Amino acid sequence: DAGVIQSPRHEVTEMGQEVTLRCKPISGHDYLFWYRQTMMRGLELLIYFNNNVPIDDSGMPEDRFSAKMPNASFSTLKIQPSEPRDSAVYFCASSPSGARYEQYFGPGTRLTVT
Amino acid sequence: DAKTTQPNSMESNEEEPVHLPCNHSTISGTDYIHWYRQLPSQGPEYVIHGLTSNVNNRMASLAIAEDRKSSTLILHRATLRDAAVYYCILRPRNQFYFGTGTSLTVIP
Repeated sequence: DAGVIQSPRHEVTEMGQEVTLRCKPISGHDYLFWYRQTMMRGLELLIYFNNNVPIDDSGMPEDRFSAKMPNASFSTLKIQPSEPRDSAVYFCASSPSGARYEQYFGPGTRLTVT
Repeated sequence: DAKTTQPNSMESNEEEPVHLPCNHSTISGTDYIHWYRQLPSQGPEYVIHGLTSNVNNRMASLAIAEDRKSSTLILHRATLRDAAVYYCILRPRNQFYFGTGTSLTVIP
């Protein structure tokens, strides 16, 4: 298996622009997680899905952030409008329902908002 | 809130064993102890987990204290590729809290 795939790997955008991050989980995994990592705050959970349904979005910073999972093989995290403080590495992870806590992380998307 | 406590950093010589400690004095009976590691510029990677008994896999061993209030991740022979941040997590109670982890430096 190719593992969790994220795109783009790097994104540089200007403040106010819309940013869309993409994730393809491992086939057969029922859970999908979006995390954000910064030096100041470490690794934080933003939202997670089970069978394409959002279960907990309490970590989403504010209304500028939204996440969707239209099918079992694809998810997006959108920031609109983006701000410099959104600069971070965003990770997507997935896990099978039988081993929910063994999460498999993607390589991350490094977002820089100028 | 049941969190874990780990040293901020540790050093080890290459090819020597490394013992990474984790304290979790308020662990509940249903919490599993999970370890992840994050290599530079990569996403976290699952290492091992356990409940009560010691566990071994190809990557590491996990030694769990009898009272479960602490555990130790053991890398039997550290290599330069083991240099990473190691996170100890209680699941499900703190399932998504990674904390700051222990940054392991391996000295050639």
